[in-house]
Amino acid sequence: EVQLVESGGLVVQPGGSLRLSCAASGFPFNDFSIHWVRQTPGKSLEWLCLINKRGDVTYYADSLRGRFTVSRDNSQNSVFLQMSSLETEDTAIYYCAKEMRGTQFVSFDYWGRGALVTVSS
Amino acid sequence: QSALTQPASVSGYPGQSITISCTGTSNDIGLYNLVSWYQQHPGKAPKLLIYEVSKWPSGVSNRFSGSKSGNTASLTISGLQADDEADYYCCSKSLSHTGIVVFGGGTRLTVL
Repeated sequence: EVQLVESGGLVVQPGGSLRLSCAASGFPFNDFSIHWVRQTPGKSLEWLCLINKRGDVTYYADSLRGRFTVSRDNSQNSVFLQMSSLETEDTAIYYCAKEMRGTQFVSFDYWGRGALVTVSS
Repeated sequence: QSALTQPASVSGYPGQSITISCTGTSNDIGLYNLVSWYQQHPGKAPKLLIYEVSKWPSGVSNRFSGSKSGNTASLTISGLQADDEADYYCCSKSLSHTGIVVFGGGTRLTVL
């Protein structure tokens, strides 16, 4: 069974940093790109970034302004999202999602349950 | 403001068909046949319904169908059921500097 499990969601103060993890199982992890998507309370989905299967190609949403960094460790079947200079507007549920085989970028066939990040003083 | 425009809400009666539109530009929907649709029930993660405009992932009902014309993609749900009540999001690859993947603002479907 394919599973993605996010962890690391916390309450953090504005200006702070946080690292989210996404632990994957049930599929050949190093064959797939992984994306991060967030959802602010009561609002739409927002794509954040992706990392390719080898971890040597990444793409980011321009709105992040260089504050987030995605990485992966294929030996641990994990993807990480390092977030810095956090703002109250970053308060959201953060999902990691697996890209579907043979598709390009926008087909996410498995999602985690999400990790809640709250940025508040 | 989301890059792709969807109606905020649609509604229909059980058994009816409804269509949700998703309007983009010549830099996303109009450029690529890379549109996907997701269903999200409250408190749950999104679920992939349609990929590459009109293809079904394994296990998804063919009551859900997708299409595209110009810069607008559409999701049609036929034979509405109570469990179809959810939020629906479109997604497209984009050439925009804002990001290579863009989502719509979401549409709340109410089954009357």
